[in-house]
Amino acid sequence: DAEITQSPRHKITETGRQVTLACHQTWNHNNMFWYRQDLGHGLRLIHYSYGVQDTNKGEVSDGYSVSRSNTEDLPLTLESAASSQTSVYFCASSESMYSPLHFGNGTRLTVT
Amino acid sequence: AQTVTQSQPEMSVQEAETVTLSCTYDTSESDYYLFWYKQPPSRQMILVIRQEAYKQQNATENRFSVNFQKAAKSFSLKISDSQLGDAAMYFCAYRSNFQGAQKLVFGQGTRLTINP
Repeated sequence: DAEITQSPRHKITETGRQVTLACHQTWNHNNMFWYRQDLGHGLRLIHYSYGVQDTNKGEVSDGYSVSRSNTEDLPLTLESAASSQTSVYFCASSESMYSPLHFGNGTRLTVT
Repeated sequence: AQTVTQSQPEMSVQEAETVTLSCTYDTSESDYYLFWYKQPPSRQMILVIRQEAYKQQNATENRFSVNFQKAAKSFSLKISDSQLGDAAMYFCAYRSNFQGAQKLVFGQGTRLTINP
């Protein structure tokens, strides 16, 4: 069955380190999204992509970057991790504007 | 920019009773989708129900139904015959129907507790 997987499931890192969270989907979806989930804020959009070589900033993109070199993967990089980036990160994909999002199971990131 | 507001951080209901979760949104668009997602303790995001704005009929999925009031920009979720497995965080979400605007905007979430 097609799926969307995130790795790692949990990650602890130190302030200032570069961290990359992986997202891989086998749905062959063009649209992919990264969200962060924080108490009281729901899910907020970090970056998104509508296809290979396409990336766009979301509402909370500062300190994050993404690249889309193929359809299946959209890795999220924290250039220099900060304690404010401690959060749960969700990757999602969708086939089209008419179809619902499929979510990964999330990565809990702790920055100490 | 569109915003989604869930004014109830927490709700509780007795098992087998009915509960309604509130959601309001702000948009200047006329064509869009609204969603309710469920997030159990496993952290998985599960689509509960979807409503297309141009459809006047309220969506239903088994015990889950919505009350969509387009003019009031309100989209509440009703859960009938509540079950222990319904305990979760519930998120309301908005998505534009314009090409190139397919990202979801989420509300803050409502934590639902089911009392046995």
